[in-house]
Amino acid sequence: DVKVTQSSRYLVKRTGEKVFLECVQDMDHENMFWYRQDPGLGLRLIYFSYDVKMKEKGDIPEGYSVSREKKERFSLILESASTNQTSMYLCASSPPLMTGKGYTFGSGTRLTVV
Amino acid sequence: RKEVEQDPGPFNVPEGATVAFNCTYSNSASQSFFWYRQDCRKEPKLLMSVYSSGNEDGRFTAQLNRASQYISLLIRDSKLSDSATYLCGASGGSYIPTFGRGTSLIVHP
Repeated sequence: DVKVTQSSRYLVKRTGEKVFLECVQDMDHENMFWYRQDPGLGLRLIYFSYDVKMKEKGDIPEGYSVSREKKERFSLILESASTNQTSMYLCASSPPLMTGKGYTFGSGTRLTVV
Repeated sequence: RKEVEQDPGPFNVPEGATVAFNCTYSNSASQSFFWYRQDCRKEPKLLMSVYSSGNEDGRFTAQLNRASQYISLLIRDSKLSDSATYLCGASGGSYIPTFGRGTSLIVHP
């Protein structure tokens, strides 16, 4: 089974802090994604990556950056955390998207910015 | 990526009932379609990909209607454990899916 592991289940950070969310997958997938999920808004794509050192903006990249130095690891960085970034963050990985095999999600990180 | 829309529900059904959800998508170029299940405070898990010919997995049947641009999920003989939120996804030209906001299902005794 594909496993996608997010480093923290719950995080509390202060406004203005730099926050790192880590995600590791163990199935050699090329594609990795970061989403946030908020009540009433559903899943929104922040950034994704097709390969090492490659990154693409999703629908809501403002206030975020990403890093993919190794194939198995995709990090989401909140440069200066703000209260409106309080959310559930979900990492996902997938085989080539054209296969139509869908994503495997990590268990999520619930971030609270105070 | 265009919108994907679902009725948020909740759909409240007794055990043993048959329940169906629809999900409409606006991008006629969508190529891949999915249903995910999400339990409360957990991550979404892939329930089934949806193929043009339709597909079935036990009590679950998924259908695609390209002409009307919707996908459906039918659950037969509902179990208490089917209670969850069901997310649909449809991908556009980039093959990255856009997700609906989910349909809540509550199965009661």
